[in-house]
Amino acid sequence: DAKTTQPPSMDCAEGRAANLPCNHSTISGNEYVYWYRQIHSQGPQYIIHGLKNNETNEMASLIITEDRKSSTLILPHATLRDTAVYYCIVRVRGSGNTGKLIFGQGTTLQVKP
Amino acid sequence: DAGVTQSPTHLIKTRGQQVTLRCSPISGHKSVSWYQQVLGQGPQFIFQYYEKEERGRGNFPDRFSARQFPNYSSELNVNALLLGDSALYLCASSLLLAEWTQYFGPGTRLLVL
Repeated sequence: DAKTTQPPSMDCAEGRAANLPCNHSTISGNEYVYWYRQIHSQGPQYIIHGLKNNETNEMASLIITEDRKSSTLILPHATLRDTAVYYCIVRVRGSGNTGKLIFGQGTTLQVKP
Repeated sequence: DAGVTQSPTHLIKTRGQQVTLRCSPISGHKSVSWYQQVLGQGPQFIFQYYEKEERGRGNFPDRFSARQFPNYSSELNVNALLLGDSALYLCASSLLLAEWTQYFGPGTRLLVL
């Protein structure tokens, strides 16, 4: 599985966009990028995933570079409730694989008023 | 719809004791995974069960065991508790085996004294 690198912490002003980067320079062609977040004292929460196209859902947008060596999770209008640890995970998806998630240290996002 | 539920929410044990943690997945989900999260670290994969069979195991000693019941609920057992077993134990459920959109419960916080 490809290794991911994320900054340990970031700050964002409330109401502004939060852009969380993730480097995955060893990613292979069949590996997906997944994002989860963990609000303090809760279980992780799935946010979004993608392979090579940009993706958007009600929570966030995922921008993957053309060479797929990095990606950015965008929270368009961060609120105080978005303060959490954000995990970027890269994994092959498909038959023969388990759903094992490999979490790194993640990025602690602090949204400030 | 009810999410993933775990019991108990908190537990205090002493070294050498045994503990059983319980998890009920989202209705219709056939896969249950267990993770251990030590303070300050990301969750670490322990087990995955699918259709009552163990389908994945992380790097944990044999003191850790689990099982899945016909109703897809699951138990995690830890024998001969060590101080280092103090952690948040998370359960996640998903529809399929190789599904990474997993839904996590709130966790059981275990303190070993």
